[in-house]
Amino acid sequence: DAGVIQSPRHEVTEMGQEVTLRCKPISGHNSLFWYRQTMMRGLELLIYFNNNVPIDDSGMPEDRFSAKMPNASFSTLKIQPSEPRDSAVYFCASRMLATNEKLFFGSGTQLSVL
Amino acid sequence: QQQVKQSPQSLIVQKGGISIINCAYENTAFDYFPWYQQFPGKGPALLIAIRPDVSEKKEGRFTISFNKSAKQFSLHIMDSQPGDSATYFCAASPGGTSYGKLTFGQGTILTVHP
Repeated sequence: DAGVIQSPRHEVTEMGQEVTLRCKPISGHNSLFWYRQTMMRGLELLIYFNNNVPIDDSGMPEDRFSAKMPNASFSTLKIQPSEPRDSAVYFCASRMLATNEKLFFGSGTQLSVL
Repeated sequence: QQQVKQSPQSLIVQKGGISIINCAYENTAFDYFPWYQQFPGKGPALLIAIRPDVSEKKEGRFTISFNKSAKQFSLHIMDSQPGDSATYFCAASPGGTSYGKLTFGQGTILTVHP
């Protein structure tokens, strides 16, 4: 079991640039979550998908953020244009609906927007 | 109503001692209360979890105590070890298909001195 795989591990970009974060959930998991961690706001849910369908995106900060899940094994979180206040660690997590409430997190993407 | 309040912010314990971290919630719709452990540079990892139909759950050195009427729950780490030094987060979520929709506490940095 390879766990939840996120890429890149670190991303440094300049304000105004587009940033795309990637996630591969654990095989067989059909519920996927994007969380963000900052010192000020802690860990907060951005959006989650069940069976590739977005269920709740109320945590997405603004229209600059978008997330997609084109298939069961891949999801992206895009920020366009990026701003310095987007600097944070972004975590992807997955679980198996119906049989298991346990949520497994990836190692995160450390994003720095200069 | 979505908040989960965690205390203390930091905790220093001697090896072999008991570490106690407390959390309180407001939303009575929460149905699942996990604790996560996070090491630097890593994603949160599930430590132990409880549902409101039981008052206590023990797994090895880790125990959750749950008080439904007071809307409080706590993590006890018995015989604390230096390897337990990490940040601990309590969390809460609704049940069913929303189990991963976690609201996190602000975290407790635990340091266990040898």
